[in-house]
Amino acid sequence: ILNVEQSPQSLHVQEGDSTNFTCSFPSSNFYALHWYRWETAKSPEALFVMTLNGDEKKKGRISATLNTKEGYSYLYIKGSQPEDSATYLCASLIQGAQKLVFGQGTRLTINP
Amino acid sequence: DTEVTQTPKHLVMGMTNKKSLKCEQHMGHRAMYWYKQKAKKPPELMFVYSYEKLSINESVPSRFSPECPNSSLLNLHLHALQPEDSALYLCASSPRVLRKAFNEQFFGPGTRLTVL
Repeated sequence: ILNVEQSPQSLHVQEGDSTNFTCSFPSSNFYALHWYRWETAKSPEALFVMTLNGDEKKKGRISATLNTKEGYSYLYIKGSQPEDSATYLCASLIQGAQKLVFGQGTRLTINP
Repeated sequence: DTEVTQTPKHLVMGMTNKKSLKCEQHMGHRAMYWYKQKAKKPPELMFVYSYEKLSINESVPSRFSPECPNSSLLNLHLHALQPEDSALYLCASSPRVLRKAFNEQFFGPGTRLTVL
């Protein structure tokens, strides 16, 4: 069974502060890790697809790192804004599989 | 057009009803997916279609019947559902199936289904 764990489950951050959260996944047979942002009443939106150990990707104020040997990824948000409030999902894909296995998500709330 | 659309947004049905969920994309994607998401749980894969052929069925009960009539359209036919089937049903697409490329998935907004 492939377990993808995210922590914390929820997070409240003051506007302007930076924050980060974690996704843990089994490192064996790793193929790719996906990050999605899911705002309430909208579609989940892809942020990053990461594949190589040591990968760092950036999109505006959001960045992510990947450690495939130890099985974790961090998502960082710099200078949080109210529009960053969303649930952030990570999902792991193992080699040969067509199936993404999602974590439960980190629900981020930015307080103005 | 980089959007996946789903209809209806909300659906309430009785256990004897037959209904269908519809998903559409015009991005030329050849892989399409149905997910089920219960409250406070992660999305769980139900079905994968690749080039209009069913590629994965995650042991989903036969009261859920998927159909992919063409490369842009994916349906989920519902019959004799149970109250525990109430959930958000998400459709997604990707250029190819995930194991062949490092594709992201594009999701629709989901259909909120309530079974009475």
